[in-house]
This record gives sequence, structure tokens and C-alpha cells, in this order.
Amino acid sequence: QKEVEQNSGPLSVPEGAIASLNCTYSDRVSQSFFWYRQYSGKSPELIMSIYSNGDKEDGRFTAQLNKASQYVSLLIRDSQPSDSATYLCAVKPKTSYDKVIFGPGTSLSVIP
Amino acid sequence: KAGVTQTPRYLIKTRGQQVTLSCSPISGHRSVSWYQQTPGQGLQFLFEYFSETQRNKGNFPGRFSGRQFSNSRSEMNVSTLELGDSALYLCASSATGDSPLHFGNGTRLTVT
Repeated sequence: QKEVEQNSGPLSVPEGAIASLNCTYSDRVSQSFFWYRQYSGKSPELIMSIYSNGDKEDGRFTAQLNKASQYVSLLIRDSQPSDSATYLCAVKPKTSYDKVIFGPGTSLSVIP
Repeated sequence: KAGVTQTPRYLIKTRGQQVTLSCSPISGHRSVSWYQQTPGQGLQFLFEYFSETQRNKGNFPGRFSGRQFSNSRSEMNVSTLELGDSALYLCASSATGDSPLHFGNGTRLTVT
């Protein structure tokens, strides 16, 4: 059974701090990795895609991928109260015929 | 480019009734996936369609069904509604290959 796990929340950080969200996956041959943000009562919104080992930065967000360790993380710098949401890690297997697998999500609360 | 469109946004049905939800994917996207999300729960995969064929199916009873049309629009149907079917139903589309899922705003179904 292919699985995606995320660090249990809720995670609380003060405004301006770095929030670190972690995700591990079981399928070693997974190829594509995504982070989604979901506000309460809303649908998930794609914030980052990462396909290669290393870091990928987009504004205040940095995604880090380590395929050897089967680990992907999301760092949010200078956290703002508007970042308070649930963050979902998603993994797409190697073949297009396998479904995207979502982790359970980590709830982040940024305290002003 | 227009995003994923789901209709209706809200539905209230009675136990035992059936319901049909509609999803129009992003233009050019041929894959459509459906998810169920209940309060405090993660995304539960229902099924995925690609070029009018069901490519993947989640662990839901046969009361849940779907289809995809030649223009990639998709519908899902739930028959003999139960109280536990109350949820946010999300549709997501993607292009081929390593592309991520893009979600619609969802249909919130309430069964009374």
C-alpha cells in the first residue's frame, strides 16, 4: 500500500518565524511531488511542485526533496497569519496510470 | 484560462435520494479525479477518468459512480444517499505526465 505521511499537527508558529512542514512517502519510484494549501471550507490550492532532488524556492516558500530518504518538506519563511491553513503533501507515482496520493495534512496556525 | 468548474456549489438532499455532480476541467486537461472530504478528514479518492475511461477507483461502495464525456467533462452520481455522504466533493483535473492536480471549488452536499 503506497502511503504518504505528514508530521502531526497542529503546528503553531509566531508571526515572522519559519514554519517547517514534513512529508514522507513509501513508494521509492515516485516522481512528482506537490504541496497544496487548504483554507477551512475551501478547496486545495497548489502552491509548489518539485520533481528533482534539492531545493526549489518561490517567494516565501521553499520545497526540499530528498528521494534517497523519501522525504519532502515545505518551509515557509516570515510566516504570516494568512498562512494559517492545512497543508497537504501529494505524491504522483512514476506512471501516469497511478493515482495521486495525498497525505492527511498538517494544520498550521501562525500566531500574531 | 478558466479553472475547474464544479456545479452546483451547494446541494441539500434527503436520505434515499440520488444526486449528480458536474465538473468541467481546465481546457486541454483530459484527466479528471474526484475526491470526498468530510470534516477533519483527509481527501478520500473516489475515482479518476481519462479519455472517457475509468483509470482508477477508490474504496467506495457501488452507490458512487461516475463518467466522463468526450469533451472531458465529468459527472459523478451518488444513489440512495445516506447521512454519511454529507461532505465536500472535489473535482480535480490535470494534463498528462507529471502535471499536478488543479481543484475546483467543490460541491458541498448535505444529506438530511
